Amino acid sequence: DTGVSQDPRHKITKRGQNVTFRCDPISEHNRLYWYRQTLGQGPEFLTYFQNEAQLEKSRLLSDRFSAERPKGSFSTLEIQRTEQGDSAMYLCASTIDRGYGYTFGSGTRLTVV
Amino acid sequence: AQKITQTQPGMFVQEKEAVTLDCTYDTSDPSYGLFWYKQPSSGEMIFLIYQGSYDQQNATEGRYSLNFQKARKSANLVISASQLGDSAMYFCAMREHNNNAGNMLTFGGGTRLMVKP
Repeated sequence: DTGVSQDPRHKITKRGQNVTFRCDPISEHNRLYWYRQTLGQGPEFLTYFQNEAQLEKSRLLSDRFSAERPKGSFSTLEIQRTEQGDSAMYLCASTIDRGYGYTFGSGTRLTVV
Repeated sequence: AQKITQTQPGMFVQEKEAVTLDCTYDTSDPSYGLFWYKQPSSGEMIFLIYQGSYDQQNATEGRYSLNFQKARKSANLVISASQLGDSAMYFCAMREHNNNAGNMLTFGGGTRLMVKP
């Protein structure tokens, strides 16, 4: 068990390009969460999966965002047609049902230029 | 209304002294949990301490303790004997147990703690 891994750690992209981030949760954790954190703010919930099912999405998740968790293992978060306002840290966390031990990854820092 | 409020954007503390980071919360759910996380400059969120709404005693974890005042809806973090490595952002978060099937966390805006040598 090496914790929650996120890849890449940093991504710089030009406005209008598509980007995809990956999160590998702790293997026995069936719940997976994506959060977005802008500079100087606390993380904000984006979406969550229970196993492979995406059960809730925040209003922050516009149509340009899509997330998947095939087979209930790793998850990907894709942003299409990136905008400067998408620049943020994207954090992934995982936990088990009824658990309170959320484990966070180190995040992917996205900069849109 | 903000569910989690951290009123101290930044705090200084002298090494080896104790410091209290404030957190107030707002919920009508009788069952909830309160968390504190530390975020160093590297970005990862490190879990520090947890307090359940029905817990009778204040939570403690090593140098961290949570001063839980349920009637005042406050959950302040106390760090004893500050160390230089404690310099980081600290976030208070809440998980409401009802009407929150996803068990999402709601975070406050954070407090930047700087420990002076």
